[in-house]
Order: sequence, then structure tokens, then C-alpha cells
Amino acid sequence: DQQVKQNSPSLSVQEGRISILNCDYTNSMFDYFLWYKKYPAEGPTFLISISSIKDKNEDGRFTVFLNKSAKHLSLHIVPSQPGDSAVYFCAAGMEYGNKLVFGAGTILRVKS
Amino acid sequence: NAGVTQTPKFQVLKTGQSMTLQCAQDMNHNSMYWYRQDPGMGLRLIYYSASEGTTDKGEVPNGYNVSRLNKREFSLRLESAAPSQTSVYFCASSGQGRGNSPLHFGNGTRLTVT
Repeated sequence: DQQVKQNSPSLSVQEGRISILNCDYTNSMFDYFLWYKKYPAEGPTFLISISSIKDKNEDGRFTVFLNKSAKHLSLHIVPSQPGDSAVYFCAAGMEYGNKLVFGAGTILRVKS
Repeated sequence: NAGVTQTPKFQVLKTGQSMTLQCAQDMNHNSMYWYRQDPGMGLRLIYYSASEGTTDKGEVPNGYNVSRLNKREFSLRLESAAPSQTSVYFCASSGQGRGNSPLHFGNGTRLTVT
């Protein structure tokens, strides 16, 4: 039973346009959500997070939106750059818990 | 500043062989984790250690053991490797061991069991 789902295995976007990566979760106890980015042969690196008390968090070109009623979050990258091409993992956890649950990942390709 | 260091980077085992994956962090973090990554499955937690001296099972602990040797080091042992354990293994650490404390990952160990 996957508690965190990324239903799009891959996404292809033109350089300069917006990339939107989506994530759904089923466990209503999750109150903290994170996005990680992974390049080949490297470990995932933290990108951005959001607490359930917010519905939006922005950091430069990256914005994460949270819709608690729909149990859905999305990552927007504007404008997309070729260096953004990577696997993006959505993760969810409880603020005072020890474990994160990860989605299966979405491969983003930004074409120049 | 090395962050999280994993050794070895690659390993090939035969079914039934044993091995230990090593992990060390230099960020003075309290919590450490072992994940495995498989195609279409994302990252799944094997074991974690919330603080020195404690370890707990994650989502997929069967076939593995762990040791939190000290605050810096957290090893993962496969006693009798099976082909189903072919995967990429990532060690991670975090400062507070809470859901809101981002994990810092090593670069992984790619393990093949034949």
C-alpha cells in the first residue's frame, strides 16, 4: 500500500517553461512534506519542504503547493533549466516522527 | 566537509554470501537511516537509528541487521544475500530525526546479488 504516490514516471518540458510535478498521499497523519532531487550516481538532495499549516512555500525558482483536503502536493519549477533534469522524489512524514515515506519518483527532462 | 560517506560504491555478491555496508557522517547528526532504492518503488526505509544506542525497523527490515557503532557510524549487514536484495542502498543522516529535519544522503552503494 503506497502511502505516497507520484503517478507520472516521467515529464518532458522545454527550457524556460514551467515544470509541474505532482504527488498524492493517503495518510492524513502526515503533516510535513519534502521534495528531493537526484542526479545519476548521486544521493538525493533536499530541495524544498512545506508544513501542513501552510499551503505554499517558495524558494527561488521552486514553489511547493499543498492541498490538504485533496491530499495533494505539487512542485513548480519556473523557469525550467536543463540543469533541472533529474529524478524528483516527493516525501511525507510527521513533524515529530522519525521516518519519511517516499514516492517512486518522477524523471524530469528539460530540453534546450 | 564530506557529509555522508558510504563504502563500497559497488559490490557483487553470490547468493548466500555476507557483507557489511559502511556509512559515516561528519555533521554531528543524531539520526541515521538506511534506505534501498528499486525501480518503480522509490526509497524504502530498511532500518533507522534515532540516536546513538538505538535502532528500529523500517518498512523492509527482513534479511538485514544494523549496528550504530557510535554517533558517526551506522552499518548495514546482509548475513545471507539473496537476489531480491539487489538494489541501490543509501545511507542518510538528519540532525533532529524528525519529519521536518531534511535528510542528507550519501552517494549510494550499488549491490548486485547473483
